[in-house]
Amino acid sequence: DVKVTQSSRYLVKRTGEKVFLECVQDMDHENMFWYRQDPGLGLRLIYFSYDVKMKEKGDIPEGYSVSREKKERFSLILESASTNQTSMYLCASSSHAPLTANYGYTFGSGTRLTVV
Amino acid sequence: GESVGLHLPTLSVQEGDNSIINCAYSNSASDYFIWYKQESGKGPQFIIDIRSNMDKRQGQRVTVLLNKTVKHLSLQIAATQPGDSAVYFCAELSGGYQKVTFGTGTKLQVIP
Repeated sequence: DVKVTQSSRYLVKRTGEKVFLECVQDMDHENMFWYRQDPGLGLRLIYFSYDVKMKEKGDIPEGYSVSREKKERFSLILESASTNQTSMYLCASSSHAPLTANYGYTFGSGTRLTVV
Repeated sequence: GESVGLHLPTLSVQEGDNSIINCAYSNSASDYFIWYKQESGKGPQFIIDIRSNMDKRQGQRVTVLLNKTVKHLSLQIAATQPGDSAVYFCAELSGGYQKVTFGTGTKLQVIP
């Protein structure tokens, strides 16, 4: 069974801390994505990557950075956490190949981050 | 800008009845649509998809209908069960990069 694994389900961090959210997929997918999910706002794309060492800004990249050193791992970094970054963070992956079965994303279970 | 939206934020349905969740989209160039189900405390799960060259697609107890004329997408769940209680998202893809635009979601509540 295909899997996207996020290293933490719940995290509590202090304002100003550097935070790392890790995501690993075992499907050999080229594409990986980081979203945040907030009530009433739905899923908003932070960053995505189509290949190793490659990254692209999504809709709300401010305050975040990412790293993709290996194909299976995509890390989201909060350089200096702030309270407005309290949210549910979802990682997803997908294959380059369009029009194949399940063209859509496979999501991880999410990391609920609280910044105090 | 482009948007994907849902008509109803919350839908309550009696167990055993059919559910219909609606979605409006505005990008006429979108060529692929997906429905996701998100249960409490979990990430979204793929339910069913449909390409723009189709009007209808059926899965197990679920049917997706696409009306390109009015840019409308719907998810029908037959014989709704308590396990169907979740938030349902529609999403659209356009262009070649698989960047997905999600709606804000509809919460389906199944009344036993």
